[in-house]
Amino acid sequence: EVQLVDSGGGLVQPGGSLRLSCAASGFTFSSYEMNWVRQTPGKGLEWISFISSSGKTIYYADSVKGRFTISRDNGKNSLSLQMNSLRAEDTAVYYCASAITLVAGPFDSWGQGTLVTVSS
Amino acid sequence: AIQMTQSPSSLSASVGDRVTITCRASQVIRNDLGWYQQKPGKAPKLLIYAASSRQSGVPSRFSGSGSGTDFTLTISSLQPEDFATYYCLQDYDYPRTFGQGTKLEIK
Repeated sequence: EVQLVDSGGGLVQPGGSLRLSCAASGFTFSSYEMNWVRQTPGKGLEWISFISSSGKTIYYADSVKGRFTISRDNGKNSLSLQMNSLRAEDTAVYYCASAITLVAGPFDSWGQGTLVTVSS
Repeated sequence: AIQMTQSPSSLSASVGDRVTITCRASQVIRNDLGWYQQKPGKAPKLLIYAASSRQSGVPSRFSGSGSGTDFTLTISSLQPEDFATYYCLQDYDYPRTFGQGTKLEIK
């Protein structure tokens, strides 16, 4: 069974840093592209970052470019998101997501989400 | 970035009703569109991919149509468990973009 487990969220002050993780199991992690998607409280969904299966290709949304860094460890079946210079508007539930059963296409597998709150 | 305009933003309906939600892309995206259902406190669940293909396990009352720039999600006969928020997502290009969501409420 495909499983993605998000962790690392918490309360952080503006300007602070946080590192999110996504533990993958039930599939060959090293073969799949991965993404981070966030959802602000009471609002919609926003894609924020992509990493290719090898880690060589990376994309970011403009809203996080230069502040967030996506990475993966294929040996540990793990995806990470290093978030620096956090702002109040980064407060959201963060999900890792991927197209696993579909291989390509919309995200069909999601973590359960981890809440990041940026507040003083 | 491709903009996805979803309407309506909210919708009140009754069990048994037929409802339609639309998404319009700001440029042609072929049929690279998915539809999601999200319930409070849960991750989105994929219902439809490639604009009209039902994901495994999704009831047949959910259907999708469209190609190019205009897409539709139809629920043929609403069930109590269908009251949720629905989103479209274009997977034609990065950055991936979602519609603003449609909250489907019980009338």
